[in-house]
Amino acid sequence: SQQGEEDPQALSIQEGENATMNCSYKTSINNLQWYRQNSGRGLVHLILIRSNEREKHSGRLRVTLDTSKKSSSLLITASRAADTASYFCATAVGASGSRLTFGEGTQLTVNP
Amino acid sequence: KAGVTQTPRYLIKTRGQQVTLSCSPISGHRSVSWYQQTPGQGLQFLFEYFSETQRNKGNFPGRFSGRQFSNSRSEMNVSTLELGDSALYLCASSPLGIEQFFGPGTRLTVL
Repeated sequence: SQQGEEDPQALSIQEGENATMNCSYKTSINNLQWYRQNSGRGLVHLILIRSNEREKHSGRLRVTLDTSKKSSSLLITASRAADTASYFCATAVGASGSRLTFGEGTQLTVNP
Repeated sequence: KAGVTQTPRYLIKTRGQQVTLSCSPISGHRSVSWYQQTPGQGLQFLFEYFSETQRNKGNFPGRFSGRQFSNSRSEMNVSTLELGDSALYLCASSPLGIEQFFGPGTRLTVL
């Protein structure tokens, strides 16, 4: 079963615009991660935010985490056609933090 | 460093057969995890191995099994294949288990 839900399920924007994806989860977490998947290939790790962090940046990516609302958002600024992919949030529970539970994903399409 | 490699990339089997998938982690990574991805169920955790021991296990039937060798390479086996086992099987490696690096996956089709 999925730990979280992502919103929206699909997002279509123009190059240069910002894209925001949201993720909600159900249980307490150690950390939350965002991954990208291009067309049924392997996942690429984008960013990890720990439960005691509220915001994190990496290049054009900005992630926020609100543990009181059990939600996170991923913002991609100045999007490019190459950003077209599915984006998943994943939460880790347990002592090792290695068992990831993924959301359903947001399909982002960036139109040139 | 070379990334995570998975073999084979594509596989077609018939119901009732068994299959073995292989994963070579990034050099130095001791944790290997396996995930199943289907359109209906999404990404689901199968199991994780760390230093040759199964450390975590997901909610899959006993037909799904795995192991890890001393060089951290891992194999996953599915016996008595069912149509519903058709999926993309992803392997991920990690130094300690937190940030995970995924391979390209093995696309299994069961006919």
